[in-house]
Amino acid sequence: AQTVTQSQPEMSVQEAETVTLSCTYDTSESDYYLFWYKQPPSRQMILVIRQEAYKQQNATENRFSVNFQKAAKSFSLKISDSQLGDAAMYFCALSGGSNYKLTFGKGTLLTVNP
Amino acid sequence: KAGVTQTPRYLIKTRGQQVTLSCSPISGHRSVSWYQQTPGQGLQFLFEYFSETQRNKGNFPGRFSGRQFSNSRSEMNVSTLELGDSALYLCASSLGRGRATDTQYFGPGTRLTVL
Repeated sequence: AQTVTQSQPEMSVQEAETVTLSCTYDTSESDYYLFWYKQPPSRQMILVIRQEAYKQQNATENRFSVNFQKAAKSFSLKISDSQLGDAAMYFCALSGGSNYKLTFGKGTLLTVNP
Repeated sequence: KAGVTQTPRYLIKTRGQQVTLSCSPISGHRSVSWYQQTPGQGLQFLFEYFSETQRNKGNFPGRFSGRQFSNSRSEMNVSTLELGDSALYLCASSLGRGRATDTQYFGPGTRLTVL
């Protein structure tokens, strides 16, 4: 079975500052991907960033980067220069093996203060 | 490229009725997955279709069913609606290259309210 745990139900950050969202996971698969999705109030689930488990290099997408610690089964998301539009629920997700499904964490609600 | 589309966006039904939700994937995507999102249970996987075949199914009762057409469009059906079926139903599409690690792209969801 695959599990994803997000231990921070809510986080807040000042505009222009940096925030890190935590995620731990468990899987017995050797080939898997990890994702961060963002869900703003519109409820549209938007892909933020993805990480292939076989790659040691941490993924980066503009202001978003991850810290992937494979041995520790940790996958945190760092948002730099936070903007008001970053306010949303952030979900960590895992896919792998033959399940053909995403397993999601419970989410972290990020508030950005002006 | 157009994104994943879902219709209708909002639905209100009463207990005992049935409902059909529709999802059109991104052009070229052959896999469609369905998820249920509720405040209590979070995001839960319903099922996934590829080339008109259900490849995987989550832990939902038989009242929840789906199908996929030859153009990759998918529908899900919920029969004998219960109050607990009120949720946001999300559809996601991916290339479906046969790898479970394909990236899934989501539609805007259908908000179902059961009264």
